[in-house]
Amino acid sequence: QSALTQPASVSGSPGQSITISCTGTSSDVGSYNLISWYQQHPGQAPKLIIYEVTKRPSGVSTRFSGSKSGTTASLTISGLQADDEADYFCCSYAGSNSLVFGGGTKVTVL
Amino acid sequence: EVQLVESGGTLVKPGGSLRLSCAASGVTFSNLWMNWVRQAPGKGLEWVGRIKSEADGGTTDYPAHMKGRFTISRDDSRNTLFLQMDSLKTEDTAVYYCSTDIPFTGGTNFAFWGQGTLVTVSS
Repeated sequence: QSALTQPASVSGSPGQSITISCTGTSSDVGSYNLISWYQQHPGQAPKLIIYEVTKRPSGVSTRFSGSKSGTTASLTISGLQADDEADYFCCSYAGSNSLVFGGGTKVTVL
Repeated sequence: EVQLVESGGTLVKPGGSLRLSCAASGVTFSNLWMNWVRQAPGKGLEWVGRIKSEADGGTTDYPAHMKGRFTISRDDSRNTLFLQMDSLKTEDTAVYYCSTDIPFTGGTNFAFWGQGTLVTVSS
């Protein structure tokens, strides 16, 4: 299966909201509400911030929210903070016990 | 809290083999569905494969393009996950992470991660 499509970069000023898109197909994003999002700071392991499209793991800020429409999932970061500057990856279940990641989006806080 | 520690990464020549390990603690390892995820230098994340718990059949799943060269196994008596990599190619150079999901979510997310181990394939 092909990687999900994410914009290479997104930027915003502190306090603003930004949205990162994750576009798949009818075989993955469009068929399952099993989308997850990960934040990765340089040199660190990824961190799960959203799972099953909209759910936040314990301890994750409510500034992170997820949604899905058709074959596109989205991650919104509200009240952008300096520490939100990181790489973000989406992931979807793709059927037949397989998972596929997006290419990643670099978020820059201006 | 789940703790995962990978080991075994090193420099290996193209065509060579390598076995990575992932030691788990702070959790009942035998209940976990375990994954390997890799990240080439400066690149994105790539799912390498998964093994289910023995209670759920202990079966393995891999992306189509990775079937055949990579084999995931587990030793529940040692709380350890393995990744056997054969016929290594330069493009297999990456940090390899082991990971597991939030309990009872069907293995569709990666909630707990190790620190990763670097595999470099080069002559």
